[in-house]
This record gives sequence, structure tokens and C-alpha cells, in this order.
Amino acid sequence: GQQVMQIPQYQHVQEGEDFTTYCNSSTTLSNIQWYKQRPGGHPVFLIQLVKSGEVKKQKRLTFQFGEAKKNSSLHITATQTTDVGTYFCAGLYNFNKFYFGSGTKLNVKP
Amino acid sequence: KAGVTQTPRYLIKTRGQQVTLSCSPISGHRSVSWYQQTPGQGLQFLFEYFSETQRNKGNFPGRFSGRQFSNSRSEMNVSTLELGDSALYLCASSWDRNEQFFGPGTRLTVL
Repeated sequence: GQQVMQIPQYQHVQEGEDFTTYCNSSTTLSNIQWYKQRPGGHPVFLIQLVKSGEVKKQKRLTFQFGEAKKNSSLHITATQTTDVGTYFCAGLYNFNKFYFGSGTKLNVKP
Repeated sequence: KAGVTQTPRYLIKTRGQQVTLSCSPISGHRSVSWYQQTPGQGLQFLFEYFSETQRNKGNFPGRFSGRQFSNSRSEMNVSTLELGDSALYLCASSWDRNEQFFGPGTRLTVL
């Protein structure tokens, strides 16, 4: 069945270092969304990617959608302590159902 | 614009009991989805309602059910609670499968 694999599960970085999380699907996605969940909070929408090869930027965050629409990445440049949280991707299959990745928990040491 | 609200925020139940959770979506949103979040399983999709109809269902047993009312408010019900049902239940509303706005969740503990 459909499944979105997300790696790594955890990432510990020093403040100022970069961070990347990856999502992969075995089948083509209709679109992919990214969410951030702070400790004790709920997921908050970051962005949606729809087009093949799409790249979007939000300040220090860069989101990419693969050419085959089967993979995506979120890259944070020069992490800050405010970036701490769990980052989830959510792939939409056949414009029908979302499947969330297992999340990457980011810890940033000051 | 008011956000997604969920009630209650916390619940403690015992095995065998049943529970009903409520979700009020953002005004104008027609789609409401429910998710179960546990440390071990991550975010698992339960079901989605759109204009009072269940549009999608995840791989959960029949003990988990839901409904949506004409004002888009949604409820989910879990019958015959098991210890493994302890989780954070999140509701998310959207216009139609675009940006999902999550509520704060209901933390269910089954003893």
C-alpha cells in the first residue's frame, strides 16, 4: 500500500549547522505538504508542493519536490533554536488520501 | 479567523468504555480529517469527512467511527476502549485537501 518513508528519524545539530529531512514514496504523489510540530504542540502547515521539480523557499527553509513526484526534501540553512521540533511530510495519493511520514525530530544545541 | 477547536482536551477512560471527541473546523472549511498520534506509530490517518459524508477511511478497526454535521462540526467515537487506544487524537480542517489546519488535539488515556 501507499507509504511515505521519511529519514532521518532524529537529527541533532549545533546551532548554525544545516539540516535536511527527506521523504520518499514508491508511487507518484499528487502533491506533498510539509508540517512542523513543536514539542507539546500540534502540526502546523509549512508549505505545499504540487509541480514536478518544484522548489520553494521560505527564508532559511528550502523545499523541493522531485522530478518524478516521488520524493521531497526540506533543507534548513543555519539552524536556530527556534527550529526545534518534528518535521513531517504528508503525501497525497490520487488526490484522495494523505499519508504522513514518520517525522524527523530536530534538536538544535545552542 | 478562529482556529480549529477540539473538546475535550484531556480524557481518562478505562478499558471497555467508549468515548466521543468533538472537532469544530475553521468556518467555511468543508473537510475534516482525524488522526491518531502515538510516539511509536506517528500520525495515522483515521478518516476524512467532507460535506457530511465519509470520503476516506484509514486502516483502523470498526470500533473507530465518526460523523460530520451540516455545520461541518465533526465527532469521532471509539467504542470498547483498549489500552492501545491511548494517544493524541488530532482533527484537521481544510477547504478541500489543501492546507490542513490542525486543532490542539485531545489527549486520551485508557487505564
